[in-house]
Amino acid sequence: GENVEQHPSTLSVQEGDSAVIKCTYSDSASNYFPWYKQELGKGPQLIIDIRSNVGEKKDQRIAVTLNKTAKHFSLHITETQPEDSAVYFCAASGNTPLVFGKGTRLSVIA
Amino acid sequence: DTAVSQTPKYLVTQMGNDKSIKCEQNLGHDTMYWYKQDSKKFLKIMFSYNNKELIINETVPNRFSPKSPDKAHLNLHINSLELGDSAVYFCASSPGHQVFNYGYTFGSGTRLTVV
Repeated sequence: GENVEQHPSTLSVQEGDSAVIKCTYSDSASNYFPWYKQELGKGPQLIIDIRSNVGEKKDQRIAVTLNKTAKHFSLHITETQPEDSAVYFCAASGNTPLVFGKGTRLSVIA
Repeated sequence: DTAVSQTPKYLVTQMGNDKSIKCEQNLGHDTMYWYKQDSKKFLKIMFSYNNKELIINETVPNRFSPKSPDKAHLNLHINSLELGDSAVYFCASSPGHQVFNYGYTFGSGTRLTVV
């Protein structure tokens, strides 16, 4: 089955700096790669997703890149703000329900 | 107007008891899920239902029994609760018929504590 690895597990950045979170997946049948943000006491919220026929997608300060050959995908957050502090999860899906990475706790220091 | 709602939000119970968690979605989605999030925040799929029909059961003990009376509802009943069942349980839904590669909407979770 699918296995998703996510790094780093924790990340601290200064406000205004960029943050990058990286994931790898194992199943070449996976074709959908969403990213979720989870704030304390809340459910995961979809922030951006990418499909396997696209290499990069951007939405304001967040962007996701996908390298199908290497089975890597990454989340980039620019101009980080304190409200970006949360746990971020990558996930992958193809023929099975979403398999999640173990999460990255992002702290943005004002 | 909550898209995926779960009740209760918190559940504290003794070992050996039986409890249920309810989930409802008003998004018109065909597929619903239960995920378990452990103390280390790891999210793991438990079940997936499509239009009231069970399609995925990820080797969950048979003490856990999901029930879907209609495509907008997916409830989770747990018998003979054990300490290791303590976790946050999330319900989610997604569009598409028997496909999993669309954005999932999650509920706010039910924190189950077994004492």
